[in-house]
Amino acid sequence: ILNVEQSPQSLHVQEGDSTNFTCSFPSSNFYALHWYRWETAKSPEALFVMTLNGDEKKKGRISATLNTKEGYSYLYIKGSQPEDSATYLCAFKTSYDKVIFGPGTSLSVIP
Amino acid sequence: NAGVTQTPKFQVLKTGQSMTLQCAQDMNHEYMSWYRQDPGMGLRLIHYSVGAGITDQGEVPNGYNVSRSTTEDFPLRLLSAAPSQTSVYFCASKGRVRLWETQYFGPGTRLLVL
Repeated sequence: ILNVEQSPQSLHVQEGDSTNFTCSFPSSNFYALHWYRWETAKSPEALFVMTLNGDEKKKGRISATLNTKEGYSYLYIKGSQPEDSATYLCAFKTSYDKVIFGPGTSLSVIP
Repeated sequence: NAGVTQTPKFQVLKTGQSMTLQCAQDMNHEYMSWYRQDPGMGLRLIHYSVGAGITDQGEVPNGYNVSRSTTEDFPLRLLSAAPSQTSVYFCASKGRVRLWETQYFGPGTRLLVL
């Protein structure tokens, strides 16, 4: 059974704080790790896809790192803003094209 | 392009009724999948398809059937609805030319089984 875990389950931060959360995934049969942002009442939208050990991706104030050998990825948000409030999902893609999502980290940024 | 469309947006069923959730995409994507979203559990994969005529089970396939007769459509069938199937259902699709492509999600179908 493939298990993808995310921590923390939820997070409340003040506007301007930087924050980070973790995605843990199996280190075998790895093909890619995706991060999605999911706002309430909307569909999930892709943030990053990472495929190589040591990959680092950045999009504005959000960045992500990947360690495939130990099976984890970090998502960082610098200077959180209220519009960053959302659930952040990671998804593990196996070499046989199966995509398994983690339970998500719910971020609330307090103005 | 309409992207990924799902119908209906909302449905109420009685226990034991059957129904089909429709999903269609106009991006010529080979890969399509169905997820259910329940509080605290993220998105759980029900079934997926890597191309027309090919389907496979995900994490939680019991109680659901799928078929993929065309590239565009990937309907999800509930044969005999149960209250445990009350959930929000998302359909997603992606290309397979580059295997790291991200998925595009439909707007979701909210299902309530009484």
